[in-house]
Amino acid sequence: EAGVTQSPTHLIKTRGQQATLRCSPISGHTSVYWYQQALGLGLQFLLWYDEGEERNRGNFPPRFSGRQFPNYSSELNVNALELEDSALYLCASSWRPGTGYNNSPLHFGNGTRLTVT
Amino acid sequence: AQSVSQHNHHVILSEAASLELGCNYSYGGTVNLFWYVQYPGQHLQLLLKYFSGDPLVKGIKGFEAEFIKSKFSFNLRKPSVQWSDTAEYFCAVNAGTGFQKLVFGTGTRLLVSP
Repeated sequence: EAGVTQSPTHLIKTRGQQATLRCSPISGHTSVYWYQQALGLGLQFLLWYDEGEERNRGNFPPRFSGRQFPNYSSELNVNALELEDSALYLCASSWRPGTGYNNSPLHFGNGTRLTVT
Repeated sequence: AQSVSQHNHHVILSEAASLELGCNYSYGGTVNLFWYVQYPGQHLQLLLKYFSGDPLVKGIKGFEAEFIKSKFSFNLRKPSVQWSDTAEYFCAVNAGTGFQKLVFGTGTRLLVSP
């Protein structure tokens, strides 16, 4: 079974630019989650998508946004990049809650390392 | 809001030493609890989980964790660590109602010296 795949593995941007990060979930998983792992802060929940819709978002400004496509893959967009956006962005997938697999564990990808200079 | 605290940010042990990593959460309702591990250069992997039933949960690679509801704790243990256990360990809680918004602790970096 192929795992969660993320691209690119590394991304370097300058302040003010936009970054687009991509994620493909495990086959059969419909939910995609985005987390930010900044140095010293642990994992912070960013966004949750299921069936193409944003279901929940964490305490991040609106310049963090994304979408989920019909094939359940997802994009995370970060606009007007700031230096403190430098972090590892992790994508995770799971079965859709409420389908009998409620509370199934998240499966994580290897992440995209975003560096903002 | 739920929160998770991991008491130790860095732990250094010699091989064969016993390990206990603390994890406390704040939430009064039903919880699901997880420990994830991130080995150097690898992605986060599930170590073990607690949903219900026996509060002593056994995971992969000889790890176990005990859910003590009265203490809001879910400490991770291993009787004898190996050099290959060097990694970062994250405790997480799911206290939502039908969605997977995991709340993670800040992690504990474990270094096992040979």
